[in-house]
Amino acid sequence: AQSVTQLGSHVSVSEGALVLLRCNYSSSVPPYLFWYVQYPNQGLQLLLKYTTGATLVKGINGFEAEFKKSETSFHLTKPSAHMSDAAEYFCAVSDQGDYKLSFGAGTTVTVRA
Amino acid sequence: NAGVTQTPKFQVLKTGQSMTLQCAQDMNHEYMSWYRQDPGMGLRLIHYSVGAGITDQGEVPNGYNVSRSTTEDFPLRLLSAAPSQTSVYFCASSYSGQGSYEQYFGPGTRLTVT
Repeated sequence: AQSVTQLGSHVSVSEGALVLLRCNYSSSVPPYLFWYVQYPNQGLQLLLKYTTGATLVKGINGFEAEFKKSETSFHLTKPSAHMSDAAEYFCAVSDQGDYKLSFGAGTTVTVRA
Repeated sequence: NAGVTQTPKFQVLKTGQSMTLQCAQDMNHEYMSWYRQDPGMGLRLIHYSVGAGITDQGEVPNGYNVSRSTTEDFPLRLLSAAPSQTSVYFCASSYSGQGSYEQYFGPGTRLTVT
């Protein structure tokens, strides 16, 4: 099974500041990569995904992520944090052509006014 | 479309009791799966199905049973509940059309075993 590491279980940012969430995976073969967001007491919602093609992927709510094969990374960024970005974020990977997801432990983002 | 629905939203069981968590999707997705979410551990795959009549084990299958008689439904059965099964359970569905592989998650069932 894939191994996924999210650096930092909690991240606190000021409103308007850059949001950077780190994700590294273990596979030597490029996997499919996903970022999900979970608001309190809700299910998971897809922010963005990388399967093939352009390595810089844009998602919903102003988020984007870049797949870097040499670094086995898929870090998530947003240039300017909004109070509504407070949530838990999960990085997930699957083998190419496989549905089974392996999740990171998650990063909780708090946004300070 | 209702998407992925799960019932119940909350459940309290006593040790040794059995129950079934319901999951249904109306998107005609071939793939369905069950995850459990525990603090600091992300989500872990319990069981999954790639189509009606086909199921397989995920990372943490012990103590759980599944079946898939229709495309729409994928119930998860707890055979004899244990406190270690206290968790939030999520059902998800997906399809491979156009290379998607995006998974759609239900709202979750919060289970407490005492």
